[in-house]
Amino acid sequence: ILNVEQSPQSLHVQEGDSTNFTCSFPSSNFYALHWYRWETAKSPEALFVMTLNGDEKKKGRISATLNTKEGYSYLYIKGSQPEDSATYLCAFRNTGGFKTIFGAGTRLFVKA
Amino acid sequence: NAGVTQTPKFRVLKTGQSMTLLCAQDMNHEYMYWYRQDPGMGLRLIHYSVGEGTTAKGEVPDGYNVSRLKKQNFLLGLESAAPSQTSVYFCASTDLGTGAYGYTFGSGTRLTVV
Repeated sequence: ILNVEQSPQSLHVQEGDSTNFTCSFPSSNFYALHWYRWETAKSPEALFVMTLNGDEKKKGRISATLNTKEGYSYLYIKGSQPEDSATYLCAFRNTGGFKTIFGAGTRLFVKA
Repeated sequence: NAGVTQTPKFRVLKTGQSMTLLCAQDMNHEYMYWYRQDPGMGLRLIHYSVGEGTTAKGEVPDGYNVSRLKKQNFLLGLESAAPSQTSVYFCASTDLGTGAYGYTFGSGTRLTVV
């Protein structure tokens, strides 16, 4: 059974704080790791799709790193803003399958 | 470009009733998925399809059936609804299904079974 774990489960920060959270996934048969941003009452939106060990991706104040050998990815948010408040999901895809396994998410609350 | 459209958005069913959730995508994606989302849990895959006329079981397929008669549509059926099927259902699609591209999600269907 493939398991994707995210930590922390939730996080409360002040506006302007920088923060990061972790996604752990199986280190074998890696194909891709996705990060999604999921605002309340909306649907998840893809942030990054990462496929290579050592990948670093950036979109504005949000960036992500990937370590496929040890099975983890970090998502960083620099200078958090209230509009960053959302659940951040990661999802793991292995080779040989058509399915993507999602973590339970990290719920971020940014207080103004 | 509508992306992925789910209908209905909300529904309340009585135990034992049946219903069909419709997912339609206009992006010519080959791969389509149905997930359910429950509090404290990640999105769990119910069924998926890798092309028109094909379907396969995911992690939690029991109590659900699916059909993909047309490439753009993926239907999820509940033959005899149970309270345990109270959840938010999301449909998603992707073009190659290889994981190199992110999924496009619908806006979800909130289903309550009483």
